[in-house]
Amino acid sequence: DGGITQSPKYLFRKEGQNVTLSCEQNLNHDAMYWYRQDPGQGLRLIYYSQIVNDFQKGDIAEGYSVSREKKESFPLTVTSAQKNPTAFYLCATRTGWADTQYFGPGTRLTVL
Amino acid sequence: GIQVEQSPPDLILQEGANSTLRCNFSDSVNNLQWFHQNPWGQLINLFYIPSGTKQNGRLSATTVATERYSLLYISSSQTTDSGVYFCAVEPPDPGNTGKLIFGQGTTLQVKP
Repeated sequence: DGGITQSPKYLFRKEGQNVTLSCEQNLNHDAMYWYRQDPGQGLRLIYYSQIVNDFQKGDIAEGYSVSREKKESFPLTVTSAQKNPTAFYLCATRTGWADTQYFGPGTRLTVL
Repeated sequence: GIQVEQSPPDLILQEGANSTLRCNFSDSVNNLQWFHQNPWGQLINLFYIPSGTKQNGRLSATTVATERYSLLYISSSQTTDSGVYFCAVEPPDPGNTGKLIFGQGTTLQVKP
């Protein structure tokens, strides 16, 4: 089954804990992205990666970290430094130049 | 940075009605995409339309890049069309990073 998978679907975290959100794709796409969505808002870019072992900060990178050790995987860690981590997190991929971005199903993170 | 404004913010229709959603952007863009976010949060690609007109079934879209706006037309609306419609633009970028800037969305409710 092809596509983008994100896990877990729902995640609860206590304040002060780091958590890692998974994003895996088998589309063989080069570029991967992490976005954050707050209630009633559009999406905002956290981090992106155009190739393996390289990634760049987006507009709201503070309190987040990523890695890109494999083409298929782009995990996002929400650290305790992120002040308002409760949100819906979406991962996306793009095959290359001038192409559509495709989105995974998302992870809803709630900090208790 | 580029500002993306969508209108109207909310729209309620009776099943079978037609509607037009608008997206204005404040500067030149490389690309523009329309997405539908279903009630479960999944973003579904509707159109990749940096310029011109495209049609897909009951949906069509037109982007007039020189005037910095795009329109999404929904004809003969169905209850399954309900959800949030997002416009997202890709600013000019020498690195071709594919970063998207999202509008705030139009929330559509189609009543039976």
